[in-house]
Amino acid sequence: QVHLEQSGAEVKKPGASVKISCKASGYTFNNYYIHWVRQAPGQGLEWMGIIKPTDGKTVYTQKLQGRVTMTRDTSTRTVYMELSSLRSEDMAVYFCTRGGAVETGTAGWFDPWGQGTLVTVSS
Amino acid sequence: SYELTQPPSVSVSPGQTASIVCSGDGLPKQYAYWYQQKPGQAPVLVIYQDTERSSGIPERFSASSSGTEVTLTITGVQAEDEADYYCQSTDSSGIYLFGGGTKLTVL
Repeated sequence: QVHLEQSGAEVKKPGASVKISCKASGYTFNNYYIHWVRQAPGQGLEWMGIIKPTDGKTVYTQKLQGRVTMTRDTSTRTVYMELSSLRSEDMAVYFCTRGGAVETGTAGWFDPWGQGTLVTVSS
Repeated sequence: SYELTQPPSVSVSPGQTASIVCSGDGLPKQYAYWYQQKPGQAPVLVIYQDTERSSGIPERFSASSSGTEVTLTITGVQAEDEADYYCQSTDSSGIYLFGGGTKLTVL
């Protein structure tokens, strides 16, 4: 079955960077987009960006432009999300989720989701 | 871009019908999706392409679309349906949007 396995919780100081991994299994990796979504404590879901596994092309939300980088390693079926210059507002659970099929364009739904990775930002 | 607006909370007694409305100017042109999230868990897809129920989702979950509003309906609510529900769509430039979420309380 389709499964996304994320790396473990991270504790970082303000100003540092964090890199989270998301390993996909159960489907053809190159055939579907991967998105990243985050959720601050007690808050709603916030879309961060999308990566196309075939060529690594990305689109990021304007709010995080310049601080977020999404990459992929097709040999290990793994997508990475790196967020730099961390601040307290970045403390959240970060989810990867599979999006739509590459052949039909970016439109699509998020299914399934990884288990989430808690990032704590504290001095 | 545009915003998706949901009520912060909806309360319903077991066995009754719960309706959660999501409104947004872009909804007539873009599909809407619904996700259920229980505490400490990742979201789960409930509805895709406005009205299609995702695999494994009980038949009591349904959705409809009309103009700038989409509605998630749970008929015969059960205690296990208590969760946060999020609508999601996209704008014309390919940016993905979430509603603020609705906390469904089963009384």
